[in-house]
Amino acid sequence: RKEVEQDPGPFNVPEGATVAFNCTYSNSASQSFFWYRQDCRKEPKLLMSVYSSGNEDGRFTAQLNRASQYISLLIRDSKLSDSATYLCVEAYGQNFVFGPGTRLSVLP
Amino acid sequence: DVKVTQSSRYLVKRTGEKVFLECVQDMDHENMFWYRQDPGLGLRLIYFSYDVKMKEKGDIPEGYSVSREKKERFSLILESASTNQTSMYLCASSAAGRLAIEQYFGPGTRLTVT
Repeated sequence: RKEVEQDPGPFNVPEGATVAFNCTYSNSASQSFFWYRQDCRKEPKLLMSVYSSGNEDGRFTAQLNRASQYISLLIRDSKLSDSATYLCVEAYGQNFVFGPGTRLSVLP
Repeated sequence: DVKVTQSSRYLVKRTGEKVFLECVQDMDHENMFWYRQDPGLGLRLIYFSYDVKMKEKGDIPEGYSVSREKKERFSLILESASTNQTSMYLCASSAAGRLAIEQYFGPGTRLTVT
């Protein structure tokens, strides 16, 4: 069975810290990867897509390591509003496989 | 602005009832999906559809059926609700493409079966 694994956390970090999450996936044929953010009792929302080796958007950087089959998400200068659960997703064809999520709490 | 809507945010049903969950998207997307989300288990795919009147089983289709009569609407049906179907149900849609592109989610329906 195809699986995506994530450390569930919680990661408790102070404001301004840099935090990184890793996610491992099992299907070497997967071509698309995503990071979604999910706030408590809300729907997941796309944070970042990763189609090649990585992607960067402001304070957020995603990196893909195909040889080791993992994707990382780095958040720099953490804000209180970054507190959420971060879902890692691998996709092959139109099949999405979601990880269980990593919970982040940014503390004042 | 991208919009996926679900018919109810909260629903309480009794064991054995037939339950309909409706999802509508206004983005002309070909693909639509139904997931359930439970603590510690992440999102699990129940059914998906690539086109009108077309459906494919996901990882956990038992106890569910779906209907897609129009492109914008994808319905999830619980033929006879059971307590183990208490969960958060999320609908999503995406455009067709050679590579998977992002799915957009509705706000979810929190279903409680008593």
